[in-house]
Amino acid sequence: GAVVSQHPSRVICKSGTSVKIECRSLDFQATTMFWYRQFPKKSLMLMATSNEGSKATYEQGVEKDKFLINHASLTLSTLTVTSAHPEDSSFYICSARDGDRGSGELFFGEGSRLTVL
Amino acid sequence: KQEVTQIPAALSVPEGENLVLNCSFTDSAIYNLQWFRQDPGKGLTSLLLIQSSQREQTSGRLNASLDKSSGRSTLYIAASQPGDSATYLCAVYKDSNYQLIWGAGTKLIIKP
Repeated sequence: GAVVSQHPSRVICKSGTSVKIECRSLDFQATTMFWYRQFPKKSLMLMATSNEGSKATYEQGVEKDKFLINHASLTLSTLTVTSAHPEDSSFYICSARDGDRGSGELFFGEGSRLTVL
Repeated sequence: KQEVTQIPAALSVPEGENLVLNCSFTDSAIYNLQWFRQDPGKGLTSLLLIQSSQREQTSGRLNASLDKSSGRSTLYIAASQPGDSATYLCAVYKDSNYQLIWGAGTKLIIKP
């Protein structure tokens, strides 16, 4: 149990276009989801926290208008990179908290590699 | 401000050896601590979660310990195999809000 699926795993787009990445909890209800960004050979950086049905909370320095996060249901959160530029190329990972399980553990997606040409 | 450090940054050992990866944190008031592995270009695989009231967790050849008072956790890998080659990340849950503070990772290479 506790599987989180991310899609797409890889995406290449042209500069100026928008890209949507989906994060789904397959067998549990995710009351809270987190989005991270990972630069090459660096650790993960928390971008934002999203709670189902409310606006995401962005970390300092993360542009909320560029990285749109929607958590419209208990099993799906989406990250849309708007007007993407080459510097947005990165590995994006989501994680989810199981609202019904008090284990204090987060479950992670497989990650999505974005390349902006 | 909580900071998480992993030493060494990289480690290369022959197959079959037992090894220890280290993770230290500056603030002992943590919620949980979790170890992950990440293969190149891939997402995270959770290895072990140690809750704040626990001192260690074991899974197969892996054993993770937690000493909150000294701000340290170790991941012990027994009888290492080439398939263990990956980057190992440690992350501290700073509170019950599930926000993680990450170490930079240890890149492990097991030589056949």
